[in-house]
Amino acid sequence: GAVVSQHPSRVICKSGTSVKIECRSLDFQATTMFWYRQFPKQSLMLMATSNEGSKATYEQGVEKDKFLINHASLTLSTLTVTSAHPEDSSFYICSAFLGQGNQPQHFGDGTRLSIL
Amino acid sequence: AQSVTQLGSHVSVSEGALVLLRCNYSSSVPPYLFWYVQYPNQGLQLLLKYTTGATLVKGINGFEAEFKKSETSFHLTKPSAHMSDAAEYFCAVSITGNQFYFGTGTSLTVIP
Repeated sequence: GAVVSQHPSRVICKSGTSVKIECRSLDFQATTMFWYRQFPKQSLMLMATSNEGSKATYEQGVEKDKFLINHASLTLSTLTVTSAHPEDSSFYICSAFLGQGNQPQHFGDGTRLSIL
Repeated sequence: AQSVTQLGSHVSVSEGALVLLRCNYSSSVPPYLFWYVQYPNQGLQLLLKYTTGATLVKGINGFEAEFKKSETSFHLTKPSAHMSDAAEYFCAVSITGNQFYFGTGTSLTVIP
C-alpha cells in the first residue's frame, strides 16, 4: 500500500523556536497533501490543503504566517511552526492524496510537538 | 453540504463479541466512504473504502462495512473482537476527492 513518511515523530523544544515537519509520499506522487492538527481525544482538524507548486489553502482560523507550508515537489510537503508557543503543542498529522476522487488519503504517523 | 456523524464516541465490547461502529453521512451526491483506524500516537490507517459497486466492503483485520444508500449509513462491523482492535475509529466521506469530511471518532475498548 501507499506509504507516507512523516518526520520527526516527536519534538520537544523551547518557546520561540521554529519547528519544521516533513511529510513524504514514498511510493507515489501526491497531487495534494493535507495537514491536520489533532487535540487529545478529538477528531482531526484540517489546517491546510497543499498542492504541489502552488500556495497552500488554509482553513478559517489557521494563521498562515504561523504555520508555513511548502509543497515543493510531488513527494514532499513541509509544515513549519514559526516561533512556537506552548499553545501550539499538539499532534500534527499529514496525509497525501493521489488526486482521484475515489482514492483514500494516506496518512503519516504524526508528529507530537511539545513546546516548553 | 456534506457531513459525517458517528454515533457513540465510546464503544465497549467483550473479547470475541460483535463489533458495530456506526456512521451516517449526509451528501447530495453519491459519496466515497472510508473507515480509518488510529492507534495511540500514530497516524490513521485505512481499514476499507467504498467507491462504487458491491455495497458490502471487506477490509483489513477482519473488518467490513456495508453501504446502505437508503439509510445513508456505512456502519463498520467485525464478527469477533480482539484485544488488538482497541483503538480510535474514524469514518470519512469524500465527494470530489479534494475534500474529506471526518467524523468525530469512536473509541473502541475491548474487555478481556
